[in-house]
Amino acid sequence: DQQVKQNSPSLSVQEGRISILNCDYTNSMFDYFLWYKKYPAEGPTFLISISSIKDKNEDGRFTVFLNKSAKHLSLHIVPSQPGDSAVYFCAASELGGYQKVTFGIGTKLQVIP
Amino acid sequence: NAGVTQTPKFRVLKTGQSMTLLCAQDMNHEYMYWYRQDPGMGLRLIHYSVGEGTTAKGEVPDGYNVSRLKKQNFLLGLESAAPSQTSVYFCASRGRGRGANVLTFGAGSRLTVL
Repeated sequence: DQQVKQNSPSLSVQEGRISILNCDYTNSMFDYFLWYKKYPAEGPTFLISISSIKDKNEDGRFTVFLNKSAKHLSLHIVPSQPGDSAVYFCAASELGGYQKVTFGIGTKLQVIP
Repeated sequence: NAGVTQTPKFRVLKTGQSMTLLCAQDMNHEYMYWYRQDPGMGLRLIHYSVGEGTTAKGEVPDGYNVSRLKKQNFLLGLESAAPSQTSVYFCASRGRGRGANVLTFGAGSRLTVL
């Protein structure tokens, strides 16, 4: 049973436009959410995160929105750049001693110049 | 600052052979994790460790063993490799504390089992 779901395996966006990547979760105990970015042949790298006590977090061109009632979060990239082309993983962790991080299957973003 | 280093980067095994993947971190992190990445499956947790000398099972632990004899190292072993273990393996680490939720990943180890 997938607790973190990314239902869009791929997304293509024109350079300069907005990219919106979506993520749904089922575990009500998740209290911290993260987005990771992965280029081919590299490990995932942290992009941005949000705590469950917030509904928005912004870092430069990247903004994450959290809707707890809908158990949904989204990552907005504005404006999109060709260097943003990568696989984006949504991840979540819950309160606990080890705070295991659960990942979605990823969304491959292609930004077309 | 090397972060998280995985060795080897690539390995080809025959069914039934054994091998060990090594993960080393130089950030004095308490927690370490082994994930595998497969197409359409995302990153799945194999085993993890909350400190030196401790290990625990993740969501897909069968066929793997781990050891954390030193704080900076986390070893993933395959005793009898199977084709289903063909995958890309990622090690990650993180520090302790509420503000340390971010995992730092290694570059990955690509394993092919024939």
